[in-house]
Amino acid sequence: AQSVSQHNHHVILSEAASLELGCNYSYGGTVNLFWYVQYPGQHLQLLLKYFSGDPLVKGIKGFEAEFIKSKFSFNLRKPSVQWSDTAEYFCAVLMDTGRRALTFGSGTRLQVQP
Amino acid sequence: DGGITQSPKYLFRKEGQNVTLSCEQNLNHDAMYWYRQDPGQGLRLIYYSQIVNDFQKGDIAEGYSVSREKKESFPLTVTSAQKNPTAFYLCASSIKTGGINEQFFGPGTRLTVL
Repeated sequence: AQSVSQHNHHVILSEAASLELGCNYSYGGTVNLFWYVQYPGQHLQLLLKYFSGDPLVKGIKGFEAEFIKSKFSFNLRKPSVQWSDTAEYFCAVLMDTGRRALTFGSGTRLQVQP
Repeated sequence: DGGITQSPKYLFRKEGQNVTLSCEQNLNHDAMYWYRQDPGQGLRLIYYSQIVNDFQKGDIAEGYSVSREKKESFPLTVTSAQKNPTAFYLCASSIKTGGINEQFFGPGTRLTVL
C-alpha cells in the first residue's frame, strides 16, 4: 500500500539552528507533494507545495523543500529557525491513483528553544 | 469571511451513543474530506466526497458514516460501532486547480467518549 514516512518524530533545536525534516513516500507514479504546519491551537495550514517544474520549491516563512524523484523524498528545510517555528509539521502526498485525497505522514513535532 | 467551520470545538459523549460532527464551507469547493488525527499517527482519511450526493470510503471508514446532500456541508456521524472514537477530527475542502487538489482545513472538533 502507498504510504508516507516521516522518520523524525520529535526534533528539538535552538534558535538560529538549521532545520531539515525528512519525508519519503512509497509510490512509483506521479505525485504532488505538500508540507502542512499546525501551530499550537491553530488550523492546519499549507506551508508549501510541489506540482511540477523546478523541484526546489519555496514556501512561506522562509521554508523550502526539494523533491528528489529518484529518492522518493520531499525534505523540508529552513536555514535558521525561530522560536515561532515551534509546531507540528506534516508531509502529504497526492498520488495519481484515482483517489483524489491526500496521504499524510505521521508528523514531526518541532520544538525551538530560545 | 470565507472558510471552513466545524462545530462544536469540543464534544463529549457517552459510550454507545452516535454523534454527528458538523462541517460547513463557503468556499464553493467541490470536494470535502474528513480526517482523524491521533498523536503520533498523523492524519488518516475517513471519508471523502468529490461531488454532491457522492462519497467514498477512506482508509478508516469503519464505524463512521457521512452524507453530502449540499455542496457546502459534509457532516460526519461517529457511530457506536467505532471502537475507539476519542480523537481530533478535521474537515477539509478543495477545489480542483488544474486537476490538483489543494486542501484547506477547518479548526477541528475534539471528541471525547466517556
